Amino acid sequence: AQKVTQAQTEISVVEKEDVTLDCVYETRDTTYYLFWYKQPPSGELVFLIRRNSFDEQNEISGRYSWNFQKSTSSFNFTITASQVVDSAVYFCALRGNNDMRFGAGTRLTVKP
Amino acid sequence: DSGVTQTPKHLITATGQRVTLRCSPRSGDLSVYWYQQSLDQGLQFLIQYYNGEERAKGNILERFSAQQFPDLHSELNLSSLELGDSALYFCASSLGGAGTTGELFFGEGSRLTVL
Repeated sequence: AQKVTQAQTEISVVEKEDVTLDCVYETRDTTYYLFWYKQPPSGELVFLIRRNSFDEQNEISGRYSWNFQKSTSSFNFTITASQVVDSAVYFCALRGNNDMRFGAGTRLTVKP
Repeated sequence: DSGVTQTPKHLITATGQRVTLRCSPRSGDLSVYWYQQSLDQGLQFLIQYYNGEERAKGNILERFSAQQFPDLHSELNLSSLELGDSALYFCASSLGGAGTTGELFFGEGSRLTVL
């Protein structure tokens, strides 16, 4: 069975702080894909990144970076120099041979 | 704009009633997924269709049913509604079915309120 755990329910930071959102996953599939989605207060789900299980290279996109470590089954997401607009619920998701399963989400609040 | 269209955006109904939520996937996408997001809850996978066929089933109640039509749009039917069914229902689409790599593109959701 596939499972995604986001242990941090809520995180609150002050603007310009760096913040890391944790994601740990379980799967028996040898090939799988990991995703991060953002859900701002407006409610829509916005795709941020996809990584496949064979590519453990970290990725950086502007202030966002992702650290994929297969040895610890983790796919963590770091926001550098956070901004108020980063306030949202962030979901980590896992897709194996079947459907995509989401973690419970981490609510990030960035205060000015 | 993800290209996935969901209607209605908001729906208020009473317990015991039946509603239908509609989803049009992105042009060219063959898979449609339905998710339920209750208040302050994560996304619960309900069901997936690929090119008209059911491909995967999650925690979908027996009172709920779905189908995907030949034109690839999908409908989620919720019957004998209970207060606890109040939630945001998301539809998502992707190009392929099981085993494909693609991310899901989500609609804006249909917010159902059961009074």
